[in-house]
Amino acid sequence: KAGVTQTPRYLIKTRGQQVTLSCSPISGHRSVSWYQQTPGQGLQFLFEYFSETQRNKGNFPGRFSGRQFSNSRSEMNVSTLELGDSALYLCASSRSSNNEQFFGPGTRLTVL
Amino acid sequence: EDQVTQSPEALRLQEGESSSLNCSYTVSGLRGLFWYRQDPGKGPEFLFTLYSAGEEKEKERLKATLTKKESFLHITAPKPEDSATYLCAVQGTGAGSYQLTFGKGTKLSVIP
Repeated sequence: KAGVTQTPRYLIKTRGQQVTLSCSPISGHRSVSWYQQTPGQGLQFLFEYFSETQRNKGNFPGRFSGRQFSNSRSEMNVSTLELGDSALYLCASSRSSNNEQFFGPGTRLTVL
Repeated sequence: EDQVTQSPEALRLQEGESSSLNCSYTVSGLRGLFWYRQDPGKGPEFLFTLYSAGEEKEKERLKATLTKKESFLHITAPKPEDSATYLCAVQGTGAGSYQLTFGKGTKLSVIP
């Protein structure tokens, strides 16, 4: 069974640009969550989607947004990039909200 | 607000030297406590879910236990391949309970 996949794996952008990251969950999983991981703050929750609906959002500015498609694939978008947005962005999927979450390999975003 | 504190931040063990990692948590109501292993440059790998105080789970050299305030990850006779960062996370039953709140992890190094 294929795991969670994320594309691209690495990304370099400059300040002010925007970026879109993609996540394909494990087949049959309907919940997709996004996390930001930095050395200083650790793993922080961004948002969670279930059946194309955002059900919860973490404490991040409105520049961070996401969506989920009918096939459960999800994208997150960061607009007007700042240096502090450099991080590993992780996507996790689960069968439902009450099950364990399985993580993808992450997208390493570097903002110059 | 859910909180997770892991200790120690880093731990160096000789191969075969058993030890325990600690995860203290505060949550309004516990839906589940999760342990993950993360290797450098990779996404977290799911290890265990614990749901109620007194529960224990084992996998190879790892054993996770849960009380009402903390969880322990016991590592018996570790090998160098057990070197990784171990993350603890909780999922509460309060508002916005779909997210995982993570601790900052314990970086384990096992020396041959």
